[in-house]
Amino acid sequence: AQKITQTQPGMFVQEKEAVTLDCTYDTSDPSYGLFWYKQPSSGEMIFLIYQGSYDQQNATEGRYSLNFQKARKSANLVISASQLGDSAMYFCAMREINAGNNRKLIWGLGTSLAVNP
Amino acid sequence: GAVVSQHPSRVICKSGTSVKIECRSLDFQATTMFWYRQFPKQSLMLMATSNEGSKATYEQGVEKDKFLINHASLTLSTLTVTSAHPEDSSFYICSASGGSNQPQHFGDGTRLSIL
Repeated sequence: AQKITQTQPGMFVQEKEAVTLDCTYDTSDPSYGLFWYKQPSSGEMIFLIYQGSYDQQNATEGRYSLNFQKARKSANLVISASQLGDSAMYFCAMREINAGNNRKLIWGLGTSLAVNP
Repeated sequence: GAVVSQHPSRVICKSGTSVKIECRSLDFQATTMFWYRQFPKQSLMLMATSNEGSKATYEQGVEKDKFLINHASLTLSTLTVTSAHPEDSSFYICSASGGSNQPQHFGDGTRLSIL
């Protein structure tokens, strides 16, 4: 079963508007972390925002905020005031402990966001 | 802060050549480094996890004799694709983490093309 689900292969948004990228996850571990990364066409992976399972408040970083609904197991990324430079692939990931006690990330399939001028 | 440098950014070489890719954490000590492979328009596929001074942990289906990983210091890990063939052509990207509660920070990736 897929542990990280991003149901939107592609999204469009008008410049200056807000957009929500969906992410749901599945885990039985009470302690976990959720991440969002951005990958422009040039290929680099850029860390955007992190939410811990025990964090009481939703994470925010500038124009990025994470709408964390623990009971629904969702961690949607909200980008406010979209800019042309926001056009990229966005990946949601969850951290769990692997056999070597290293906290590897489980990745979603990504959402391609296009910002229209 | 948290800069990871990956080199080279692009490699084109003949079949049978071995290729070494370096991943360096420039401003922090990386207790753990991760190596990923990414096919076009797909998500990241974890190949292996390496800890400084110990053997890498490979994911199922990844040949450890084909993809040699060395993590000799807290700031450097290398991936060597031995006797590369065209099917090894891909985008390889590394990440480094400063600790169990720290995010992974990524290098810019290496586009490997085997002719």
